[in-house]
Amino acid sequence: EPEVTQTPSHQVTQMGQEVILRCVPISNHLYFYWYRQILGQKVEFLVSFYNNEISEKSEIFDDQFSVERPDGSNFTLKIRSTKLEDSAMYFCASQWVGNTEAFFGQGTRLTVV
Amino acid sequence: GENVEQHPSTLSVQEGDSAVIKCTYSDSASNYFPWYKQELGKRPQLIIDIRSNVGEKKDQRIAVTLNKTAKHFSLHITETQPEDSAVYFCAASGANDYKLSFGAGTTVTVRA
Repeated sequence: EPEVTQTPSHQVTQMGQEVILRCVPISNHLYFYWYRQILGQKVEFLVSFYNNEISEKSEIFDDQFSVERPDGSNFTLKIRSTKLEDSAMYFCASQWVGNTEAFFGQGTRLTVV
Repeated sequence: GENVEQHPSTLSVQEGDSAVIKCTYSDSASNYFPWYKQELGKRPQLIIDIRSNVGEKKDQRIAVTLNKTAKHFSLHITETQPEDSAVYFCAASGANDYKLSFGAGTTVTVRA
C-alpha cells in the first residue's frame, strides 16, 4: 500500500539553526500538508499546498517557516531559525482530492536544544 | 476558523463494553468529519469518516453519527478489545478549505 514517508525520523538541533524536514507524499496526490503535534497535545495545522503554491497557512506558520516542492516528488518544510517552542512532532500529509482520506507520514520528531 | 471540541479526554472501558466519544464543531460550512486513531509514537491513521450528506456510517465494530443541526458527531466502538487502546482524534474540514481541524483527542484504555 502506498504511504507517505518522512525523513529524518528524529532531528536534534541547536536553537537558532535551520532545519529542513523532508516528505515524499503519495505519488498521485494533489494536496499536501504539514501539521505539528506538541507532545501530549492535539494535531495542529501549519500549511496546505496545492498546485505548486501555498493555499492556506495558520498563525503558527510565520516568516520563519517555508515550504517547497522542488522536484515533483519531495515536499519540504524549512524552519529558518529554530526556537525551543518549535520542538514537536511534525507530520506531513497528502490527499488525492480535498475532503478524502488524508494520509499521514510517520512524523519527524524535532527537538530544539 | 473552525473550532472542534472533543470529550471526554480520557475513557477507560472494560473489554467487551462500548466506548463513545463526542465532538462538536463551530463552522456550519464543514462537511467532512474523519476520525483518526493514533497509537503511541505512531502516525494518525483514519479509521472512519463521514460526510455531511450522511447521518450515520458503520464499519464492523465502529460507527459514526453526525447531527448537522446541532453540529456534533460521535464515534461509537462496540465490543471493545485491548487493541482498541489508543488516542482517538476527531477532525473537521470544509468545502473550500480542506485542512483538518482536530479535536484535543481522547485516550481510550480497554481493560482486559
